[in-house]
Amino acid sequence: DGGITQSPKYLFRKEGQNVTLSCEQNLNHDAMYWYRQDPGQGLRLIYYSQIVNDFQKGDIAEGYSVSREKKESFPLTVTSAQKNPTAFYLCASSIPGQGADDQPQHFGDGTRLSIL
Amino acid sequence: SQQGEEDPQALSIQEGENATMNCSYKTSINNLQWYRQNSGRGLVHLILIRSNEREKHSGRLRVTLDTSKKSSSLLITASRAADTASYFCATGTGTASKLTFGTGTRLQVTL
Repeated sequence: DGGITQSPKYLFRKEGQNVTLSCEQNLNHDAMYWYRQDPGQGLRLIYYSQIVNDFQKGDIAEGYSVSREKKESFPLTVTSAQKNPTAFYLCASSIPGQGADDQPQHFGDGTRLSIL
Repeated sequence: SQQGEEDPQALSIQEGENATMNCSYKTSINNLQWYRQNSGRGLVHLILIRSNEREKHSGRLRVTLDTSKKSSSLLITASRAADTASYFCATGTGTASKLTFGTGTRLQVTL
């Protein structure tokens, strides 16, 4: 069954620590996305990648970093520079490569990050 | 930036009733999509309507789009308890492979 796998489901971060959230897809999608969702809020775009070895900042990229070395994988690092990292993080993928946004996005089941 | 704003923020209805939620957006769009999110889960795509379409149906879902008013509505007919979820609209402008999501409507369907 094709889909998106996010791990871990729950993650705790200590002060000053970087943590990495995993996102893997086997849908053969070119585009991948990271969103942050705060309680009762919509989704805000952190980073997105339209093709391997390329990615762009979204609306709230400060304090986060990503890499896209493989088509299947798009890990997100929450750095110590992100002062309010507690949130629900969602990864998604879609078919288009360059410039087309009229395809559905497929989502993983998220990682909930909390501060210790 | 949040392009879409859903209205109402929360909606409570009884099973069998229809649920209508609205989405307003600010700039010109290429397409508008509706997603559902069950509590603690990822989003699931429901339906996509393009800017040159006015209405679209999928099962018990009916979506309308009025580009002159920059608004869309999602109608769920004959609602079921399993429809309890948050519903989000998302807009694409056609300039990049990304969507902008609204703030969502929380729908509660009671027996």
